[in-house]
Amino acid sequence: GENVEQHPSTLSVQEGDSAVIKCTYSDSASNYFPWYKQELGKRPQLIIDIRSNVGEKKDQRIAVTLNKTAKHFSLHITETQPEDSAVYFCAAKGDLTGGGNKLTFGTGTQLKVEL
Amino acid sequence: GAVVSQHPSRVICKSGTSVKIECRSLDFQATTMFWYRQFPKQSLMLMATSNEGSKATYEQGVEKDKFLINHASLTLSTLTVTSAHPEDSSFYICSARDSKTTNEKLFFGSGTQLSVL
Repeated sequence: GENVEQHPSTLSVQEGDSAVIKCTYSDSASNYFPWYKQELGKRPQLIIDIRSNVGEKKDQRIAVTLNKTAKHFSLHITETQPEDSAVYFCAAKGDLTGGGNKLTFGTGTQLKVEL
Repeated sequence: GAVVSQHPSRVICKSGTSVKIECRSLDFQATTMFWYRQFPKQSLMLMATSNEGSKATYEQGVEKDKFLINHASLTLSTLTVTSAHPEDSSFYICSARDSKTTNEKLFFGSGTQLSVL
């Protein structure tokens, strides 16, 4: 099955700096890669996603890049703000059997934006 | 965006009792829903895939007799933790996508914090 690794596990940045979180996946058949933001005790919120036919996608301060050959994708947050502090999870859609969109999640990155 | 409602948000129960958690897609139909379990400061681990009108598909290591899943309609899936024990204490969260579109976006319920005494 799919295996997703995520780094770093914790990340502290100063307000206004950029933050980068990286993930690798194992299943070359994976074709959908979402990123979720989760605040403590709350549901994961989809913040951006990318399909394998696209190399980069941007939405205001958030961007995601995908390297299919190397099987890795990254989340970039620019001009970080304190409200960006949360746990971020990457995910990959691997197993296409038994239900379709079965997502495998990375281990998460605790982002802390300091004033 | 699509809304997934999950109830209850918090449950405290005695060891040996059963707990039912509901997951509803409010403004879309979902032939497939997913149940995850999350321990503190850890990732979301898929427990099972709930299929409308048929049996759920369980991930390796998840006891199907322990975690009963019913998906009787296109908008409702339930997870019942049977004979709960303290080790079952965790954050349970469901997710669903709109089965009438090709949109792959998954939306999550608000989660259920289960505490077994």
